Amino acid sequence: NAGVTQTPKFRVLKTGQSMTLLCAQDMNHEYMYWYRQDPGMGLRLIHYSVGEGTTAKGEVPDGYNVSRLKKQNFLLGLESAAPSQTSVYFCASVEQGARQYFGPGTRLTVT
Amino acid sequence: QQQVKQSPQSLIVQKGGISIINCAYENTAFDYFPWYQQFPGKGPALLIAIRPDVSEKKEGRFTISFNKSAKQFSLHIMDSQPGDSATYFCAAVISGGYQKVTFGTGTKLQVIP
Repeated sequence: NAGVTQTPKFRVLKTGQSMTLLCAQDMNHEYMYWYRQDPGMGLRLIHYSVGEGTTAKGEVPDGYNVSRLKKQNFLLGLESAAPSQTSVYFCASVEQGARQYFGPGTRLTVT
Repeated sequence: QQQVKQSPQSLIVQKGGISIINCAYENTAFDYFPWYQQFPGKGPALLIAIRPDVSEKKEGRFTISFNKSAKQFSLHIMDSQPGDSATYFCAAVISGGYQKVTFGTGTKLQVIP
């Protein structure tokens, strides 16, 4: 039982490049979330999904897209990376009753 | 309305002392209040949580105090240890369906020997 895994762990992009972050969970949770974490700003919700095939915008969705083609996977895409997207990205899988299980994070630097 | 205000931003406590972190909220629709602990390079992990029908919850050295009328809740770490050094986030959740979570901005705790 791996819980929540994220790939890659680190990535450096140049402005304008694209990439996809993968989140996988093996707990059969319906809800999955993508957050970004920046110093002094806590965790901010980018996008979320309430089940396979569904996605919705969170607090800071601009510049990101997501897909949930399989229940266990939630992908976060950056189509044209910008320096403002330098951050640590966390995926969370949510248990009924609101407990969130976080992945280990992806540290992204955009130069 | 959706903000959760957390203080202090950072905290230094002597080993064996009590660490206290405070959070305040505005939205009375919040019905679940978790605290998450995050070590450097790791994802946050649930530490302890409370629902607003109780005023206190204790798990080992960690206690949440909840004041519904004041819309405040706090985390107390008794007998603080160097291994408790981490960043702590409070959160407030509106449960049911999509569980909207609002996080505080975090408190970096350092416990010195």
